[in-house]
Amino acid sequence: GENVEQHPSTLSVQEGDSAVIKCTYSDSASNYFPWYKQELGKGPQLIIDIRSNVGEKKDQRIAVTLNKTAKHFSLHITETQPEDSAVYFCAASMGGNQFYFGTGTSLTVIP
Amino acid sequence: DGGITQSPKYLFRKEGQNVTLSCEQNLNHDAMYWYRQDPGQGLRLIYYSQIVNDFQKGDIAEGYSVSREKKESFPLTVTSAQKNPTAFYLCASSIQGVTETQYFGPGTRLLVL
Repeated sequence: GENVEQHPSTLSVQEGDSAVIKCTYSDSASNYFPWYKQELGKGPQLIIDIRSNVGEKKDQRIAVTLNKTAKHFSLHITETQPEDSAVYFCAASMGGNQFYFGTGTSLTVIP
Repeated sequence: DGGITQSPKYLFRKEGQNVTLSCEQNLNHDAMYWYRQDPGQGLRLIYYSQIVNDFQKGDIAEGYSVSREKKESFPLTVTSAQKNPTAFYLCASSIQGVTETQYFGPGTRLLVL
């Protein structure tokens, strides 16, 4: 089955700096890659996603890049703010209902 | 106001007891899912259902049971056979399709007394 690895597990940045979280996947058949933000005691919220026919996608301060050859994808947050502090999860899916999640990155933005 | 609701927010289980976690959605989604989340781990799939009266086991189904009698409801029962039930349980739903985004509820934290 698919295996998704996520790094780093914790990340601290100064407010206004950029944050980058990286994920790798093992199965080249994976074609959908969502990113979720989870605040303490709440369910994950979708923040951005990308499909395998696209190399990059942006939504305001958030961007995701996908390298199918290397089988990795990354989340980029620019101009970080304290409210960006949360746990971020990546996931991969090759179709159907099975999603494979990374282990999460705890992001702390220091004011 | 559309969304996924889970109840209760906190649930306590005694030794040998079965407990049921509720999940309801009004998004008219066909597919629903149950995940377990443990500290420092990713989400692990317990069960999923693509259509009413049908469901499939995920990676960690042992000690759990589900039903899907209505499109909007997908309750999860944690049975006494689940020896380590303490975790955060998340319900999700999606439109049925080739690869569709899953949307999550707020979760239920289950604790053992």
